[in-house]
Amino acid sequence: AQSVTQLDSHVSVSEGTPVLLRCNYSSSYSPSLFWYVQHPNKGLQLLLKYTSAATLVKGINGFEAEFKKSETSFHLTKPSAHMSDAAEYFCVVGAGGTSYGKLTFGQGTILTVHP
Amino acid sequence: GAGVSQSPSNKVTEKGKDVELRCDPISGHTALYWYRQSLGQGLEFLIYFQGNSAPDKSGLPSDRFSAERTGGSVSTLTIQRTQQEDSAVYLCASSTTGLAGGEQYFGPGTRLTVT
Repeated sequence: AQSVTQLDSHVSVSEGTPVLLRCNYSSSYSPSLFWYVQHPNKGLQLLLKYTSAATLVKGINGFEAEFKKSETSFHLTKPSAHMSDAAEYFCVVGAGGTSYGKLTFGQGTILTVHP
Repeated sequence: GAGVSQSPSNKVTEKGKDVELRCDPISGHTALYWYRQSLGQGLEFLIYFQGNSAPDKSGLPSDRFSAERTGGSVSTLTIQRTQQEDSAVYLCASSTTGLAGGEQYFGPGTRLTVT
């Protein structure tokens, strides 16, 4: 069984300041982990993914995430927020090993960026 | 190239009617997934197809829900005798394989409203 918990339902930052969106996961297997972003009235877009290679994963638009097995965490960060980053972000866990890729989504974190 | 497409984009139906939602995956993608996004439940897995077969239907909420995939391509999700709690955005995703860690590409969704 697998699950994911996003620790903040809303995060508000000022433009140019760092972003931290927190995620903890639970998985019976060595997990695949993803962050997806959903802009208003748009589809889900993959930001980055971890699949047991490097623990620090770089994604699109300057986002990165660090896999910490000891803390079962996969927090998403960005050094400097941009207005266009305002969206809802989903931490997602997929089955590990050779199991098929059913995804389990967190509840989402809405990121607001103030000018 | 073309992404995942879904039709209709919006559907309003009366309680008790049947609806069909369509998904056109990316050409060549063997794995296809249906998810549902609703206010109360977040994003939930419904069903997974590998080719034309559905190894995992565990997420279908009731026997009013069914899905099929023909020719290893287009998929249809059917909801019979719709209820108000079926109102949600239904998302389709496809992947090159069904293996864990594979990136899933999402369509824009069908917003279903049951009145």
